Amino acid sequence: QKEVEQDPGPLSVPEGAIVSLNCTYSNSAFQYFMWYRQYSRKGPELLMYTYSSGNKEDGRFTAQVDKSSKYISLFIRDSQPSDSATYLCAMSGQTSYDKVIFGPGTSLSVIP
Amino acid sequence: NAGVTQTPKFQVLKTGQSMTLQCAQDMNHEYMSWYRQDPGMGLRLIHYSVGAGITDQGEVPNGYNVSRSTTEDFPLRLLSAAPSQTSVYFCASSYSDVWANVLTFGAGSRLTVL
Repeated sequence: QKEVEQDPGPLSVPEGAIVSLNCTYSNSAFQYFMWYRQYSRKGPELLMYTYSSGNKEDGRFTAQVDKSSKYISLFIRDSQPSDSATYLCAMSGQTSYDKVIFGPGTSLSVIP
Repeated sequence: NAGVTQTPKFQVLKTGQSMTLQCAQDMNHEYMSWYRQDPGMGLRLIHYSVGAGITDQGEVPNGYNVSRSTTEDFPLRLLSAAPSQTSVYFCASSYSDVWANVLTFGAGSRLTVL
């Protein structure tokens, strides 16, 4: 079993839709949870960053962490064609020096 | 402020050849790392460094070598290239405190080994 699982997609939605992206993990030591966005042939860039459980909102993006279920989500409201990218969840352990483990990524296309 | 710069962007090697992927950052980040990205596998950590003179292995270190003589540079060496090393390689850096796991990535180096 991989440490971090993520549905690879591809996921295709119409412009304006609400998008839900999810990851599950097996290591209960993970404390830091991140979402990175990667455009085609570019490096990943940090989108959201949360510590432990709870929700965090930033504009059209909301990150949720449920440590009891070992499940994290990223919601995108009013999706735009510019949101078309691969979304990678990532997590790390007790200290910020712990290595960062990435999910395989979900490819998202937002159709105008 | 260029961020994280990787060279070359593309490289084709023959099996058994060696080469060095270069990575430089101008943000005075102490933490630097190398990942490889393969379809369906996500990003896998090869080697990392928490400061000049200090390096350690990640998940998939075999066949790769690193050194960190300065804060700015963290080159990745392929000792004897194999087709299994065909991949996209990303260098990443971060501050070495609370934000050590918040990574800034380079644009990637696409390597093909024939």
